Amino acid sequence: DAGVIQSPRHEVTEMGQEVTLRCKPISGHNSLFWYRQTMMRGLELLIYFNNNVPIDDSGMPEDRFSAKMPNASFSTLKIQPSEPRDSAVYFCASSVGRTGDAYEQYFGPGTRLTVT
Amino acid sequence: GIQVEQSPPDLILQEGANSTLRCNFSDSVNNLQWFHQNPWGQLINLFYIPSGTKQNGRLSATTVATERYSLLYISSSQTTDSGVYFCAVAEGTGGFKTIFGAGTRLFVKA
Repeated sequence: DAGVIQSPRHEVTEMGQEVTLRCKPISGHNSLFWYRQTMMRGLELLIYFNNNVPIDDSGMPEDRFSAKMPNASFSTLKIQPSEPRDSAVYFCASSVGRTGDAYEQYFGPGTRLTVT
Repeated sequence: GIQVEQSPPDLILQEGANSTLRCNFSDSVNNLQWFHQNPWGQLINLFYIPSGTKQNGRLSATTVATERYSLLYISSSQTTDSGVYFCAVAEGTGGFKTIFGAGTRLFVKA
């Protein structure tokens, strides 16, 4: 079975450019999570969706970040404009979620973003 | 929000040794997971263990939810066990908002 798929795996861009990260969750999973990992702050939850609806985006660092989930099999995380401090590894995870509960999360391989 | 503390922060073992990693959390949680992040950065599920005890080969885990801690046991460690071990808990009634601990960095020497 395919796991969580993320693309691209590596992204190098210049400050000010728009960056779009993509995620395909595991088929049948209805909860999706975006995380960011840095040395300074560790693994942080940015936003999560349940049944394609954003539930909590309080972890999104600022208005430059936005996330969408247009259907059950695809989500994007966009940064516009990008800044050097956005350099990090961005992970997507998915799980089965029932009303009021989320269960075991499975992580994708991550996208390593470098903003110069 | 909930606080998650892991100890020890760093651990060096000789191959074949046993170890116990600890995760303390400051409030009731809906679920708890242990992950291993390998040297290539991949996050690998070890256990989904909101309570009770589970075993998988040389690894086992115990969560005592009422006392707000979880333990990960590694027996007969191997060099491939090296990496960072994370504990993650979900807070709130919805069980979605996930908080990661800072991790325990393990190095197993041959």
